[in-house]
Amino acid sequence: GAGVSQSPRYKVTKRGQDVALRCDPISGHVSLYWYRQALGQGPEFLTYFNYEAQQDKSGLPNDRFSAERPEGSISTLTIQRTEQRDSAMYRCASRAGPNEKLFFGSGTQLSVL
Amino acid sequence: RKEVEQDPGPFNVPEGATVAFNCTYSNSASQSFFWYRQDCRKEPKLLMSVYSSGNEDGRFTAQLNRASQYISLLIRDSKLSDSATYLCVVPHTGRRALTFGSGTRLQVQP
Repeated sequence: GAGVSQSPRYKVTKRGQDVALRCDPISGHVSLYWYRQALGQGPEFLTYFNYEAQQDKSGLPNDRFSAERPEGSISTLTIQRTEQRDSAMYRCASRAGPNEKLFFGSGTQLSVL
Repeated sequence: RKEVEQDPGPFNVPEGATVAFNCTYSNSASQSFFWYRQDCRKEPKLLMSVYSSGNEDGRFTAQLNRASQYISLLIRDSKLSDSATYLCVVPHTGRRALTFGSGTRLQVQP
């Protein structure tokens, strides 16, 4: 596609529910990144993929968070048993290769009530 | 030492002023750096890449000081439209991920 697409744009859920956030990167981009951003802060790294392989998941806060990119294109970030502290903007980004610039999607604003 | 540190500001400057931000990093092996701009509630967008020789793009100049491990962004002749948060980005220590600073907020006033 023309840009990185994320859905849904907004997600409101109740504490304890599972949520799945979707990212469709720019076509042909090898690397896909997930970040979380709190208001007034910079994006915080969560995990990233090269093709379908998850290269680094050290930024995932705990085992309730997981991500996959099974065919090396679309990725899903899943948060199980959501908690209020999970509320944030979740941003996906992709790039064509190492040292190339990152392109961000518009993000998914998650609110856990 | 944090991987990336930025002065959060805000920097309040009049139109036409020159303003500079610094960003310090801890990974001495880092090779490539970036400055991103983020408008309120929008996604970050690339402003400039910063390589060993630094670079200039119009009113914007980015420099790298390896000895002191910081990068800088200089904005000349500030415009109202330059008001935004400026994020510096460095490679994550030992990994291919990118670490963002917390950002420096710039407010250009008429």
